[in-house]
Amino acid sequence: IRMTQSPSSLSASVGDRVTITCRASHNVKSYVNWYQQKPGRAPKVIISAASTLQSGVPSRFSGSGSETDFTLTISSLQPEDFATYYCQQSYSTVALTFGGGTKVEIK
Amino acid sequence: EVQLVESGGGLVQPGGSLRLSCAASGFIFDDYAMHWVRQVPGKGLEWVSGITWNSENKDYADSVRGRFTISRDNARSSLDLQMNGLTTEDTAFYYCVKDSRSWYVQFDFWGQGVMVTVSS
Repeated sequence: IRMTQSPSSLSASVGDRVTITCRASHNVKSYVNWYQQKPGRAPKVIISAASTLQSGVPSRFSGSGSETDFTLTISSLQPEDFATYYCQQSYSTVALTFGGGTKVEIK
Repeated sequence: EVQLVESGGGLVQPGGSLRLSCAASGFIFDDYAMHWVRQVPGKGLEWVSGITWNSENKDYADSVRGRFTISRDNARSSLDLQMNGLTTEDTAFYYCVKDSRSWYVQFDFWGQGVMVTVSS
């Protein structure tokens, strides 16, 4: 199952609302997770099962979607949110796949 | 505190072999599936292989199937990845990753990674 993220990068200002989309090549129901990776660090899961916010993750992050179309939204971008974000499907457990990533940069 | 510490990385020639290990602590190892995920520096993430809690299921990305073998030792809380027939395209950081369940659900906790460089 191929996961296609868009955009691959974006520039935004602190306080902006940011939306990242992820499209699956097949129906993955709600088996999509989102990860945040900062430079030089290992990724961290922020959203699981399409919309479940992980413990300790700020409420400005939210996820939505099902079947083939998914969205990660940051309601008000903060300085610590500048990072690369990846979607990942766990529906096809014989071949787990990630999206290509979206780099969120400072405008 | 959950800890995953990878070892075994390094420089190897094309066609060579390497064995990565991951020492786990801070959680009940045999309750969880485990994975290897790799990342070429500056590029995206690629799931390499996963293994369920009891080793009943072992799965691989197409890019490594037939060359890599994942295994775990629940008594020692360790995860291994035997890599044979290495090519330059296998050059990457390799992360040991804990799942949130005994089967494949989400990549819950990541080690710091170990670098594998395949070059002549």
